[in-house]
Order: sequence, then structure tokens, then C-alpha cells
Amino acid sequence: TQLLEQSPQFLSIQEGENLTVYCNSSSVFSSLQWYRQEPGEGPVLLVTVVTGGEVKKLKRLTFQFGDARKDSSLHITAAQPGDTGLYLCAAGGSNYKLTFGKGTLLTVNP
Amino acid sequence: EAGVTQFPSHSVIEKGQTVTLRCDPISGHDNLYWYRRVMGKEIKFLLHFVKESKQDESGMPNNRFLAERTGGTYSTLKVQPAELEDSGVYFCASSQVPGPYGYTFGSGTRLTVV
Repeated sequence: TQLLEQSPQFLSIQEGENLTVYCNSSSVFSSLQWYRQEPGEGPVLLVTVVTGGEVKKLKRLTFQFGDARKDSSLHITAAQPGDTGLYLCAAGGSNYKLTFGKGTLLTVNP
Repeated sequence: EAGVTQFPSHSVIEKGQTVTLRCDPISGHDNLYWYRRVMGKEIKFLLHFVKESKQDESGMPNNRFLAERTGGTYSTLKVQPAELEDSGVYFCASSQVPGPYGYTFGSGTRLTVV
């Protein structure tokens, strides 16, 4: 069973700061997804990366998939209070199941 | 388009009782998944339907859990009899194509067994 380790578990920053959260595993993934979840809601897909070394940008969010497809990072530039939430990474293997990390709870203070 | 709908949003039941959770996927999505998050743990896969057929139920904890998908539309997840350790948030997701892409999750059902 592949295990995804997310770090940090908790992150509290001020509006305007930059941050990076990480998702690591000892296993190789065929795909890696990042989700954002708000209280009382389900996870919302932000991005899917499938190619080692791939970088995707979504406005102020930059997602990177490691060359060996074992790790990923999410970088947020100039964080805003609206970015507050639980950020989850999820790995897809050779089937349709997703394996989730426990998440990084981000709080952006005004 | 309407999203994935789950109900109830919350359920509190006593140990030994039965509870049925329902999920209405996005119309036209053949693939339907159930996941669960128990407190302090990560979200874990329970099972996968393709239309009305169970493709994979390897994540189902035990035989107290029964999932069905009538006519390939909505799905139900029944827990009978419920135990304390069944407490958690149960998520349903659907997708148009198979594979770990493009899931749309519902808001979840928070189940508390007391």
C-alpha cells in the first residue's frame, strides 16, 4: 500500500506571503492530483499531473511533479484569505483508486 | 450541471442501528466511488461502481457494509449494524471516464455512531 506523506500538517501565514506544501512517497505514481477542501464540503480538484517533471500553473498556484514521479509540491504566491483550506494530494496508480495524504491545513490571516 | 449530491449531510445513530447513505452522481457519469475519512486518518477508498456493477469493493471494511447502485444511477451505502468505529465522513464521487482523473466529490455524509 503506497503511503503519501504531506507536510507540513498545519500552516498559518499572513496575507501576501508565499508558501509551499509537499507530498512525498516511496512509491512511483502514474498520476498525482491536488484537491482543496473547505469545511463541510467535499474535496475539489485543482490539478492533475501525470508526467515526471511536469509543472502546471493555476493563477497564483504552481504545481510540480517530481522527475521520479514520487513527490509533488504546491506553491502559492501572495496567499490570500480565500486560499484558506485543507490541501490534499492524491495519487493514482494503475487502477482507478486514489490514495490520499492526510492533508495540509492552511490558514491565511488577513 | 448539478454536482454530486449526498444525503443526509449528517446522521447520528446508536450502535447497533442501521443507516443508509445515498449518493446521486452527476448525470451521465458511469463511474461512482465511495470513500471514507475517519477522524485523524486520510480519506480511504471503499468501492467503485461502473454503471450498476461493482468493479472493486476491496476497500469495504467488512460485511456490515453493503453498497448498491440501482439501474446505474444513484447509489446507497448501508451500514448494518453500525459500530462506533464506523463514525466518519463518507464521500461519494463520480467521473465520466475510468481512471484516477476528474473526480467530482459530493459534500459528504458525516456519520456519528454513539
